[in-house]
Amino acid sequence: DADVTQTPRNRITKTGKRIMLECSQTKGHDRMYWYRQDPGLGLRLIYYSFDVKDINKGEISDGYSVSRQAQAKFSLSLESAIPNQTALYFCATSDSGADLNTGELFFGEGSRLTVL
Amino acid sequence: GEDVEQSLFLSVREGDSSVINCTYTDSSSTYLYWYKQEPGAGLQLLTYIFSNMDMKQDQRLTVLLNKKDKHLSLRIADTQTGDSAIYFCAETFSGNTPLVFGKGTRLSVIA
Repeated sequence: DADVTQTPRNRITKTGKRIMLECSQTKGHDRMYWYRQDPGLGLRLIYYSFDVKDINKGEISDGYSVSRQAQAKFSLSLESAIPNQTALYFCATSDSGADLNTGELFFGEGSRLTVL
Repeated sequence: GEDVEQSLFLSVREGDSSVINCTYTDSSSTYLYWYKQEPGAGLQLLTYIFSNMDMKQDQRLTVLLNKKDKHLSLRIADTQTGDSAIYFCAETFSGNTPLVFGKGTRLSVIA
């Protein structure tokens, strides 16, 4: 089983619908992140959380919200989806307690969202 | 603000060396990374280098860092078809700040 699991892996929805992408991890890491990947634009940070009570906006947080329900779970919501939110979304984790705190990220396999 | 630039495409013949280049703007970057994304998968860390190093070698991979020019490169020796992927350069000031990624370089290996 994957250490970082994202659900759903694929989703097609319509403009205006509320969508939630979920992420769970078994790595025991304290830090979790949501990135968005678009062709030619690379990965851009949406939100990140350094522990259960910590939520921080990233580069492109407008139109998104997150919830850190537990150390192992971090969900991303689109309250009212729009077509330019069509993208591949990645959840990632990192461990602040690692011997070398280099910030290395461990990624899920991605959730492909299409907004029509 | 921080910015990381990479060329978008690179094509090489199997057995040749590949060199993927990256430039970054934040002179306080402490850790610089190369991630690999295979088709349909998430990113995986290939290697990283500290800013106080000039070079790091790991089997077929060689990372060169020119801190003066803020230039990072990844050389893959004896490139194989399995090396076909998107390669992302990333940087951070510390382990306590999120990584900033480049746009990724799609490496195509021609048999």
